[in-house]
This record gives sequence, structure tokens and C-alpha cells, in this order.
Amino acid sequence: QVQLQESGPGLVKPSETLSLTCTVSGGSISGYFWSWIRQPPGKGLEWIGYIHYSGSTNYNPSLKSRVTISLDTSKNQFSLELSSVTAADTAMYYCARRPAGDFAIFDYWGQGTLVTVSS
Amino acid sequence: QSVLTQPPSASGTPGQRVTISCSGSSSNIGNNYVYWYQQLPGTAPKLLIYRNNQRPSGVPDRFSGSKSGTSASLAISGLRSEDEVDYYCAAWDDSLSGVVFGGGTKLTVL
Repeated sequence: QVQLQESGPGLVKPSETLSLTCTVSGGSISGYFWSWIRQPPGKGLEWIGYIHYSGSTNYNPSLKSRVTISLDTSKNQFSLELSSVTAADTAMYYCARRPAGDFAIFDYWGQGTLVTVSS
Repeated sequence: QSVLTQPPSASGTPGQRVTISCSGSSSNIGNNYVYWYQQLPGTAPKLLIYRNNQRPSGVPDRFSGSKSGTSASLAISGLRSEDEVDYYCAAWDDSLSGVVFGGGTKLTVL
């Protein structure tokens, strides 16, 4: 059974960089796209972007200038960096797996990690 | 403001059939598959419907999806109290070159 687990600081200061890692267990990173999705408290879902196991990336245009998603196949991990954060970036951040061939299907999700942006 | 439009709330009584709509445009729903996710409080979303009307293994056949033009619907028949959670639609958007979600619909079982 594939499992995803997010990790990283729960509190980030304004203007700093948010960094999260997702560890994939029970399956290989190969052959899939690996995604980040966030959800501000009490609000809806927002797709941040994804990385293919080959290393190619695709980001939400509204976040593209601040987002970097990277992959470490040796550790079965992928990471998110979001720079110049503000209070508007406070959200539950989920990592998820996207199978090849379907653009908006996320079949396995992490439990999520809450990141608060505050001084 | 979400790219895909869902009603913020919907309701029904136990045993009833309810539908939740998702409206988009030719760049997303009109030209791509629609997906539905169910989110229980405090948990990650779960895939409910993929490719407009396909159910993943383990999803009851009380849940069904359909698409027509630039709109899609999620239907839940035989409504149960445990269906009282949030539902989100999603699709790929060709113009944005990204995934777009609806704002979510909170279903209440009266």
C-alpha cells in the first residue's frame, strides 16, 4: 500500500521560504507525477504543481514565480519550496500521487501538514 | 474565486438522491475529464470519481458522475448520514496548463 507523509516546519516567518518534504513508502517514485496541493483554513483546494519522476515540472501559473518542486529518487522523496511567503500562504499542505495519463487524478494523498505564516 | 463553480452547499434527507453541479468552460470541463473528491473533516481528500463517471475500487455505486458540455454533476443516491462531508470537482485547464478545482460543496443530510 502506497503511503505519503509530509514533513517540515509548521511555522514560517513572512518573507521567508516554506520548505516541505514528502516521503513515499510502499511503492516506487518511478512512473508517476508527484504533486503538492494546499488548502487554506476553511477554504477550498488549490493545486500548486507537480514533478514527473523524470524531473520535469509543471506549476500553477499564480504561484510559478515562487515555487520549486524537486525530487530525490534515492530517498523516494520529493520536496516543495515556496519563497517570499505571506499570511495568504497559511494552509494545510498535501502531497499526492498523480498517475500518468490523467491530468487531474490524485489517487494517494498524505495526511497533510499545517503551515502557518506568522512572525 | 475558483475556476470551476460549485454551489457552496447542498442538502437532502436520508435515502434521497442529491446532485452537486460543477460548472466550467471549454478550456477545462468542455475539453477534459472531470474528477470528484470527497473530503471528511480533518482528513485528506479522497478520489471518488475519475474520468467523468468512473468509480475507483471500493467506492459504492451510490456515487455516480456525469458530464455534459462544460458542466458536470455528482449524484449520490440512497443518501446516508456519513455522506455529510465536502465534495470537490477538478479538471485540467488547457488555458492555464494546470489543474483547477471547484470551490467545494458542503453536503448536509437533514
